[in-house]
Amino acid sequence: NAGVMQNPRHLVRRRGQEARLRCSPMKGHSHVYWYRQLPEEGLKFMVYLQKENIIDESGMPKERFSAEFPKEGPSILRIQQVVRGDSAAYFCASSPPFKGAGELFFGEGSRLTVL
Amino acid sequence: KQEVTQIPAALSVPEGENLVLNCSFTDSAIYNLQWFRQDPGKGLTSLLLIQSSQREQTSGRLNASLDKSSGRSTLYIAASQPGDSATYLCAVWATNAGKSTFGDGTTLTVKP
Repeated sequence: NAGVMQNPRHLVRRRGQEARLRCSPMKGHSHVYWYRQLPEEGLKFMVYLQKENIIDESGMPKERFSAEFPKEGPSILRIQQVVRGDSAAYFCASSPPFKGAGELFFGEGSRLTVL
Repeated sequence: KQEVTQIPAALSVPEGENLVLNCSFTDSAIYNLQWFRQDPGKGLTSLLLIQSSQREQTSGRLNASLDKSSGRSTLYIAASQPGDSATYLCAVWATNAGKSTFGDGTTLTVKP
């Protein structure tokens, strides 16, 4: 049973370009979470998705950031018109179906560098 | 809003010592608390998950306790080894939240 798969592992973009980060949850997991880790800081929640639904996007910046988890395929975190402050590690976690709360399993992260 | 604090931010110990990492949280109405390990440049590896109805969980040399009433959890590492060097993070899932809130972590260095 493969773990949470994220790609690309490393991504370099110039200011103004778009970044797309992909996350495939563990088999059987229906919940996906995106967290961001800025240099020398902790993990901050961004968004929680289930298939075709955004459940909680309270941690997403209001502009330039969007996320989806389509019926088929991986979850995608999209950052438009990237700025240097977007440079960070973006982690995806998934959990199996749960009542109340789940157990999180994380991918290796995607490290975005904005030049 | 749930706030999670981990003290100390960094800890250095000689090999073989037993040590305790602390995690405190402000809202005691939680579903679970999860401890993770993060190596530099890597993702998070789940170490232990404690449900709100449990007081502790053990895995090998690791023991995590949970005291909801005081809003605290401790991660006890017995007979520390250099390979234990990493950042340890705790994450708390409050009952009024749909996700976990993380502390900033404790960076542990175990010297040979």
